[in-house]
Amino acid sequence: TQLLEQSPQFLSIQEGENLTVYCNSSSVFSSLQWYRQEPGEGPVLLVTVVTGGEVKKLKRLTFQFGDARKDSSLHITAAQPGDTGLYLCAGAVYSGGGADGLTFGKGTHLIIQP
Amino acid sequence: KAGVTQTPRYLIKTRGQQVTLSCSPISGHRSVSWYQQTPGQGLQFLFEYFSETQRNKGNFPGRFSGRQFSNSRSEMNVSTLELGDSALYLCASSLGTGLLNTEAFFGQGTRLTVV
Repeated sequence: TQLLEQSPQFLSIQEGENLTVYCNSSSVFSSLQWYRQEPGEGPVLLVTVVTGGEVKKLKRLTFQFGDARKDSSLHITAAQPGDTGLYLCAGAVYSGGGADGLTFGKGTHLIIQP
Repeated sequence: KAGVTQTPRYLIKTRGQQVTLSCSPISGHRSVSWYQQTPGQGLQFLFEYFSETQRNKGNFPGRFSGRQFSNSRSEMNVSTLELGDSALYLCASSLGTGLLNTEAFFGQGTRLTVV
């Protein structure tokens, strides 16, 4: 069974600060995705990383996939209240015949206070 | 293009009843997955359907079942409802083939409350 552990579970910081959330596993994933979910809504895909060591930037968000494809991090620079939400990482294992169902971490609840 | 549509948005059922939830995927997407989300357990994978066949299944009891139609629309059914089945049920669609096509697009979910 593949497990993804996210840390921290909860994070509350002031607007303008930087933060990093982590997603760790003992399993290797073919790809790893990050989603953001707001209350009452479904998760929305932010990024997919597939290559070990890959770094992707999305405005103030920087995503990194670990060299061994077992972990990932999300760094937010100069956080804004609009960044508030539940951040979820999800891993997929692709075996050629198709991907297994996504394995989700339990998420990091992020609150950015004005 | 239209997103993933789930109906109904909210549902209240009594213990012992059964319920059917519906999901219409993004046009052209052949894979539909279902997840249960609760505060304690987070998002848990129920099952995935691809071209009308169940391709993957999570670790849930047989009371949870699903199906997919030829137009890729999917339904999931929960029989003999228990209080612990109260959750947000999310449907996600994806192209379903190839490594990068595992990216999931979620609906807004159905909030099921069992009383």
